Amino acid sequence: QKEVEQNSGPLSVPEGAIASLNCTYSDRVSQSFFWYRQYSGKSPELIMSIYSNGDKEDGRFTAQLNKASQYVSLLIRDSQPSDSATYLCAVSEYSSASKIIFGSGTRLSIRP
Amino acid sequence: DVKVTQSSRYLVKRTGEKVFLECVQDMDHENMFWYRQDPGLGLRLIYFSYDVKMKEKGDIPEGYSVSREKKERFSLILESASTNQTSMYLCASSLGGGNHNEQFFGPGTRLTVL
Repeated sequence: QKEVEQNSGPLSVPEGAIASLNCTYSDRVSQSFFWYRQYSGKSPELIMSIYSNGDKEDGRFTAQLNKASQYVSLLIRDSQPSDSATYLCAVSEYSSASKIIFGSGTRLSIRP
Repeated sequence: DVKVTQSSRYLVKRTGEKVFLECVQDMDHENMFWYRQDPGLGLRLIYFSYDVKMKEKGDIPEGYSVSREKKERFSLILESASTNQTSMYLCASSLGGGNHNEQFFGPGTRLTVL
């Protein structure tokens, strides 16, 4: 059973600080990794994709991938109250390049 | 930008009714997916389609069927709705495999079965 594990939270971070979200996955040959943001009552929104080891930065967001350790993380710098949401980690399923497996999400709360 | 639309945001149906949920994407994507999302259970894949008229079962296909007659449209059918199918239903699409498998979601349909 392929799995994507996330701490459910809630993770509480003060406004302006760095929020760090972590995810581990079980399928060693997964190739694609994603972070989605989901506001309450809304659908998931893709915020980052990462395919190779290392860091990928996009504005205040940085995704980090370590395939040897099978973990992927998301850093949010200068956290804002509008970043309060559930963040879903998702990993491609090697047996089907089109399917991705979602973690259950980490609830992030930015306190003013 | 990718746009995925779903036919209804909110739907209320009675037990035993046949229910159709429609999803349309406008980016010529090969793959389309139907998920349901329930508190504490996360996103669960019901069915997906990788080409017109092609479909594969996901993790929880029981009680559902799908139809993809045109590339841009993927329908989810509840043959005889039951109360345990009350959920948020999410449609997604992706361009293809390899490094093009990001999925983009529609706004969701919150279905209540009474």
